[in-house]
Amino acid sequence: EIQLQESGPGLVKPSQSLSLTCSVTGYTLTSGYDWSWIRKFPGNKMEWMGYINYRGSTNYNPSLKSRISITRDTSTIQFFLHLNSVTTEDTATYYCAYRVWGGRNMVWGQGVMVTVSS
Amino acid sequence: DVVLTQTPPTLSATIGQSVSISCRSSQSLLDTDGDTYLNWLLQRPGQSPQLLIYSVSNLESGVPNRFSGSGSETDFTLKISGVEAEDLGVYYCIQATHAPLTFGSGTKLEIK
Repeated sequence: EIQLQESGPGLVKPSQSLSLTCSVTGYTLTSGYDWSWIRKFPGNKMEWMGYINYRGSTNYNPSLKSRISITRDTSTIQFFLHLNSVTTEDTATYYCAYRVWGGRNMVWGQGVMVTVSS
Repeated sequence: DVVLTQTPPTLSATIGQSVSISCRSSQSLLDTDGDTYLNWLLQRPGQSPQLLIYSVSNLESGVPNRFSGSGSETDFTLKISGVEAEDLGVYYCIQATHAPLTFGSGTKLEIK
């Protein structure tokens, strides 16, 4: 059974960088499909941020393209989100997820709440 | 970006009642490969989202068959035939035909 778990700081100051880790168990990052970061803003709005796929290629939401980077470490079975120059508008719950683009057998992590505040 | 408009934003139902949620897309979601990548998710309170339906009408493994999906092109519907207490939460449609992947605005289901 694939499981994902996000980790990272819950509070980040404006203009700083946000870095989160998604730890995967029960699977490998190279076996197939996409590994995404998605965030849910206060209220119900959800935004797909980007993915790294099983080959290591990345695809980002154009709304974030200049600020986002997704990388991975296949040996520790983790992938990472790095978001530069955060503002209060980046306050959200951040989720990592598997196979969001593939649909079937989609798996989400539990989410980590990140607040951007001075 | 594809805009998915969900209605209603809030739904109140009694146990056993059947309800429907609409998801309308600003563009056709029929892909060039013949599939339509429109999925439905449920986020229960305090939990992460879970997949209910993929590719319009396919029930994800382990999901009760009171959930069903239908539609084509730009018009899609999720139906719950006989709401149960565990169905409360926020329902999202999500499309993966056109990049970037986008979500509907959500429909909150409350149990009366």
